[in-house]
Amino acid sequence: DSGVTQTPKHLITATGQRVTLRCSPRSGDLSVYWYQQSLDQGLQFLIQYYNGEERAKGNILERFSAQQFPDLHSELNLSSLELGDSALYFCASSVDDSPLHFGNGTRLTVT
Amino acid sequence: AQTVTQSQPEMSVQEAETVTLSCTYDTSESDYYLFWYKQPPSRQMILVIRQEAYKQQNATENRFSVNFQKAAKSFSLKISDSQLGDAAMYFCAYRSAAGNTGKLIFGQGTTLQVKP
Repeated sequence: DSGVTQTPKHLITATGQRVTLRCSPRSGDLSVYWYQQSLDQGLQFLIQYYNGEERAKGNILERFSAQQFPDLHSELNLSSLELGDSALYFCASSVDDSPLHFGNGTRLTVT
Repeated sequence: AQTVTQSQPEMSVQEAETVTLSCTYDTSESDYYLFWYKQPPSRQMILVIRQEAYKQQNATENRFSVNFQKAAKSFSLKISDSQLGDAAMYFCAYRSAAGNTGKLIFGQGTTLQVKP
C-alpha cells in the first residue's frame, strides 16, 4: 500500500459530461501529481500542486483543471468529456526529493 | 525537453533466469534522477529502483540492479533470478534535479513475461 488514496476506482460516464477525481496524498507529502495513462499516449504528466499552489503544468487540456485543498487532498476535474479522454488517471505524491508514490488510479470510461 | 525511450515493447524470460530491460534518455542537464517503476496487472505503479546521476555506483535492490552509463545516457534494469511475480510492465522514468518540480517523464514501457 503506497499510502496514496484515489477515488473512485472506476468511473463510467457519457460524452459531454463532467467528472471529478479525488486524491489523498501520503501523510506528510506536500506535492501531488496527476498523470494520465492511455494506450496511445503512455504515461503523461498533467499537473503538479505543492502545498496548495500549482507548481508545474504538463500536457493538460483546457477542459481539465485541478486544485489542492488546505488539507492537501487534490481533485482533478474533467469536463466536456470526449471518447479520447478514456484512460487511467493516476495521482502521486512526494515530499522534497523523495520518489513519487502512486495511488491505484481511477479508470475512466467515456461512452 | 527531456525524453525517455524504451525500445523493447515486450520481453520474456524463463523463471530463475536473468533479463535486462533497456532505457535511453536525452537531456542537456547534468544532475537528475532515474527510476524504474513496475506496473503489474493490478495496475499499481511500484517503485523498483532509483539512481542519482551524480553517483557513479550503480544502484542495487535485492534481485534488481541497474547499469547506469551517464555518457551514453543509458539506464538498463537487470532482474536476476526472475520470478513469476516479476511479470509486469516496467517503466523507465527521468526526473530533473533542477527547478522545484519532481515530475517524472516516462518511457513507453516494456512488458515483461516470465515463463515457468
